[in-house]
Amino acid sequence: DAKTTQPTSMDCAEGRAANLPCNHSTISGNEYVYWYRQIHSQGPQYIIHGLKNNETNEMASLIITEDRKSSTLILPHATLRDTAVYYCIVRVYRDDKIIFGKGTRLHILP
Amino acid sequence: DGGITQSPKYLFRKEGQNVTLSCEQNLNHDAMYWYRQDPGQGLRLIYYSQIVNDFQKGDIAEGYSVSREKKESFPLTVTSAQKNPTAFYLCASTHGTGNSPLHFGNGTRLTVT
Repeated sequence: DAKTTQPTSMDCAEGRAANLPCNHSTISGNEYVYWYRQIHSQGPQYIIHGLKNNETNEMASLIITEDRKSSTLILPHATLRDTAVYYCIVRVYRDDKIIFGKGTRLHILP
Repeated sequence: DGGITQSPKYLFRKEGQNVTLSCEQNLNHDAMYWYRQDPGQGLRLIYYSQIVNDFQKGDIAEGYSVSREKKESFPLTVTSAQKNPTAFYLCASTHGTGNSPLHFGNGTRLTVT
């Protein structure tokens, strides 16, 4: 089973920040949090990952709570092209088995 | 450019036939994975391989087989024993060490009638 839980779907207005939550209450100390997104009928695309500290790259920011039991992916200025399914997974440093949940379907509204 | 190539993009087969899906990567990644995706669903792990000549079953391995004879190649065979083979199949790879992300191919859509 997936180690993360995410809302099934979310809406966000174009130009606003999209905040996607992920719960990983059973995360262990050596597990990273990864985010991917999948646009219809394509392979998932890596967005960002982190262990403890907040991370930012050109695509998004990742905020991890101090107890590491949850995280939030932030798309700062959502566009229609950000409409996709977003997956949050946890993975140990050298984990063999990488399991995905059902993700969050994000709709960007014009 | 480095990446993962899945071929073909669309594949049609008659029920009862085995079919092999190709996955090739030139990223020098150690680990490779096969996932299945049904409409409106998440990704389910079929098989994975950390090194050449070794692989492990994922959560839904029944009716599938794989081989890992070369580092860059991880073909998936959908056998006639797979009851519901029609699906979108995704291959991925990653370095075996370090906190490197998965890289995915663009998938093969298999339709069995």
